[in-house]
Amino acid sequence: DGGITQSPKYLFRKEGQNVTLSCEQNLNHDAMYWYRQDPGQGLRLIYYSQIVNDFQKGDIAEGYSVSREKKESFPLTVTSAQKNPTAFYLCASSKTGTGIFTPQHFGDGTRLSIL
Amino acid sequence: GQQVMQIPQYQHVQEGEDFTTYCNSSTTLSNIQWYKQRPGGHPVFLIQLVKSGEVKKQKRLTFQFGEAKKNSSLHITATQTTDVGTYFCAGSISGGYNKLIFGAGTRLAVHP
Repeated sequence: DGGITQSPKYLFRKEGQNVTLSCEQNLNHDAMYWYRQDPGQGLRLIYYSQIVNDFQKGDIAEGYSVSREKKESFPLTVTSAQKNPTAFYLCASSKTGTGIFTPQHFGDGTRLSIL
Repeated sequence: GQQVMQIPQYQHVQEGEDFTTYCNSSTTLSNIQWYKQRPGGHPVFLIQLVKSGEVKKQKRLTFQFGEAKKNSSLHITATQTTDVGTYFCAGSISGGYNKLIFGAGTRLAVHP
């Protein structure tokens, strides 16, 4: 059954701690994305990747880092530099290609809170 | 930077009433996509509009893309309790790849 798996579902971060959110997809999609969603707001793009070993900053990349070593995986690290990390984090994937606009498929999300 | 504004923020309707949400972009869009997010869930793709003036229907849902490709609307006829959720529009700009700019969403509550 194809889809996107995010883990954990809930995550708590202590002060000064880095935490990593997992995102795995088996849809054979080239492009992957990380979004942050705050209550009552839309989705804001953190990072995106069109292809393995390449990624670009989105609109709110400060305090976050990513890697794309495998096509299936796009983990997001929330560093201690992110002072307000409490939010709902969504990972998505899509087919890609310049000028091609395709639907994005989302995982179930990770809720991150500060302890 | 590019922005997509969406109104209203909230809408409460009685079951059977109609509902409309509107999106406006500060720049011309190459396409617009609509997503629905149920409470506690993740966004799910509904539809994509690409052509100027395009209108698409999915059962009780009607989607429109403006002639100038700067605005879009979603209209639901005779709402049902299953329509509850937040509806997001998301646009892409010309020349870019599949990078979406999301509106803030309209949360729909349907009272039986």
